[in-house]
Amino acid sequence: QKEVEQNSGPLSVPEGAIASLNCTYSDRGSQSFFWYRQYSGKSPELIMSIYSNGDKEDGRFTAQLNKASQYVSLLIRDSQPSDSATYLCAAFSGGYQKVTFGTGTKLQVIP
Amino acid sequence: DAGVIQSPRHEVTEMGQEVTLRCKPISGHDYLFWYRQTMMRGLELLIYFNNNVPIDDSGMPEDRFSAKMPNASFSTLKIQPSEPRDSAVYFCASSLALAGNTIYFGEGSWLTVV
Repeated sequence: QKEVEQNSGPLSVPEGAIASLNCTYSDRGSQSFFWYRQYSGKSPELIMSIYSNGDKEDGRFTAQLNKASQYVSLLIRDSQPSDSATYLCAAFSGGYQKVTFGTGTKLQVIP
Repeated sequence: DAGVIQSPRHEVTEMGQEVTLRCKPISGHDYLFWYRQTMMRGLELLIYFNNNVPIDDSGMPEDRFSAKMPNASFSTLKIQPSEPRDSAVYFCASSLALAGNTIYFGEGSWLTVV
């Protein structure tokens, strides 16, 4: 079983809409969660991190964490074509002392 | 800072040849990671170092793969002998710490084994 799971997509949304990206994780000992964005042919870069249950907002991005359901999500408001990329969810496990990445969800924002 | 620096950016090699990938982490970062990314398996952690010491190499696929970090500013990932199934993008990354810290990735080494 993959420790961090994401739907591979592609998820297509029209420009200006809200894109919702979801992630589940299997290790209940996971403490920190991250969303990385990866443009085609480029390396991943961090866009959001979240450690506590609830929402965390940063500009057009909102990360949501529900530890009871082992669920993390990323909302992108007012989606732009420049948001088209693959979004990787990652979780840090204190027990295993490692950061595990999901396989990513490809987002396409249609102008 | 220049970020994580990897070389070579692209390499095409024949099956059976030795491949050496190089990495210079961000100065002051105590953790260095080697990841492999493929379409099928996504981003997989191969090995990581803390203060130049290998901590977890459970992701290294087999004995053909080896990694070293002789000092705080340099690491290598070696594949010997290489096989076509090793074709992937290999990312080196570094961070200040594990928990709650940003992992900074290099631009990747694109390896093709023919």
